[in-house]
Amino acid sequence: KAGVTQTPRYLIKTRGQQVTLSCSPISGHRSVSWYQQTPGQGLQFLFEYFSETQRNKGNFPGRFSGRQFSNSRSEMNVSTLELGDSALYLCASSWTGGYSTDTQYFGPGTRLTVL
Amino acid sequence: QQPVQSPQAVILREGEDAVINCSSSKALYSVHWYRQKHGEAPVFLMILLKGGEQKGHEKISASFNEKKQQSSLYLTASQLSYSGTYFCGTEYGGTSYGKLTFGQGTILTVHP
Repeated sequence: KAGVTQTPRYLIKTRGQQVTLSCSPISGHRSVSWYQQTPGQGLQFLFEYFSETQRNKGNFPGRFSGRQFSNSRSEMNVSTLELGDSALYLCASSWTGGYSTDTQYFGPGTRLTVL
Repeated sequence: QQPVQSPQAVILREGEDAVINCSSSKALYSVHWYRQKHGEAPVFLMILLKGGEQKGHEKISASFNEKKQQSSLYLTASQLSYSGTYFCGTEYGGTSYGKLTFGQGTILTVHP
């Protein structure tokens, strides 16, 4: 079974631009979560989507948004990029998002650099 | 609130053992352990559930102490492949759909 895929793998943008990252979950998985990973803050939860609905959101500004399509693929968008948005963006998929009994599988991430 | 992992870093020789702890100030519903190698995605190791149930793979064990709100990951007879950063992700129950709160990570280095 194919794993979680993320595109692009690397991205360089300048301040003020916007960016869209894509995540394709494991076949059959309906929950997709997004995380930001930085050396200073570690792994931080952005939001989770299930059946095209955002069910949970972390403490990030409104510049960070996402959506999920009917095939469970998800995108996240960051508008008006700031230098501090430079990070590894990881998505993770699971069957239902109820993690007590549900394993979360991570993709390889998109490395975003903001200049 | 972010769980606290200890130690921050561990250096071992092949064959030695290590314990990594993950402590929370809030009541835990479950703890999920991951290992991440440099430049790669975090890889799932184990889930520990409130009530003691464990789910995982590989030759790694863990425990969950509800009284202390702490989980410990036990790496025995370490191999070079065990090197990486270990993260615990905690779930606090309720409407925490898809949200894991991760500790800051423990860097494990295994030397020949």
